[in-house]
Amino acid sequence: DAGVTQSPTHLIKTRGQQVTLRCSPISGHKSVSWYQQVLGQGPQFIFQYYEKEERGRGNFPDRFSARQFPNYSSELNVNALLLGDSALYLCASTPLLGDYEQYFGPGTRLTVT
Amino acid sequence: GQNIDQPTEMTATEGAIVQINCTYQTSGFNGLFWYQQHAGEAPTFLSYNVLDGLEEKGRFSSFLSRSKGYSYLLLKELQMKDSASYLCAVRPRGFQKLVFGTGTRLLVSP
Repeated sequence: DAGVTQSPTHLIKTRGQQVTLRCSPISGHKSVSWYQQVLGQGPQFIFQYYEKEERGRGNFPDRFSARQFPNYSSELNVNALLLGDSALYLCASTPLLGDYEQYFGPGTRLTVT
Repeated sequence: GQNIDQPTEMTATEGAIVQINCTYQTSGFNGLFWYQQHAGEAPTFLSYNVLDGLEEKGRFSSFLSRSKGYSYLLLKELQMKDSASYLCAVRPRGFQKLVFGTGTRLLVSP
């Protein structure tokens, strides 16, 4: 079975641009979460979606938005990119809400210049 | 809120035992997770503690004491491939998100 997949693997953008990151959860998983990991730090929670509804939002500005599609895949959008948005963006899926192990994808490495 | 503290870096020798500590100040959480993350890769699940005590899983064990706000990950018979960052995380009660510590970078030398 395929694990969590993310695309693209790497991305280079300039300040002010917009970016869309994509995630496909493990088959059968209905919940997707997004995390930002800056080098040398632990992942920071951005969003969680379950059954296409937002179920949690971290302390990130409104430039960050996300959505989940009927097939449970998800997109993370970041507008007006800043240098500080350079990070590894991780997607994680769980079958349901609750205390389940989160399965992480390989991440998208975003570099903002 | 949650505040999770871990040592930044640890070194150990192949074949040895190492204990990575995690202390937290939180108003309440359901369970405590440990993840392993190799450089440039995604975190992978190691263990989950919801009750106080020791959970053993092969060479890895994890311990939780809620009264002391303390957890540790114990790695036995260290191998070179165990060189990685180890992340402690909690899921706060009433929330679905995981709150991670900054991680402990473990370097295993021959």
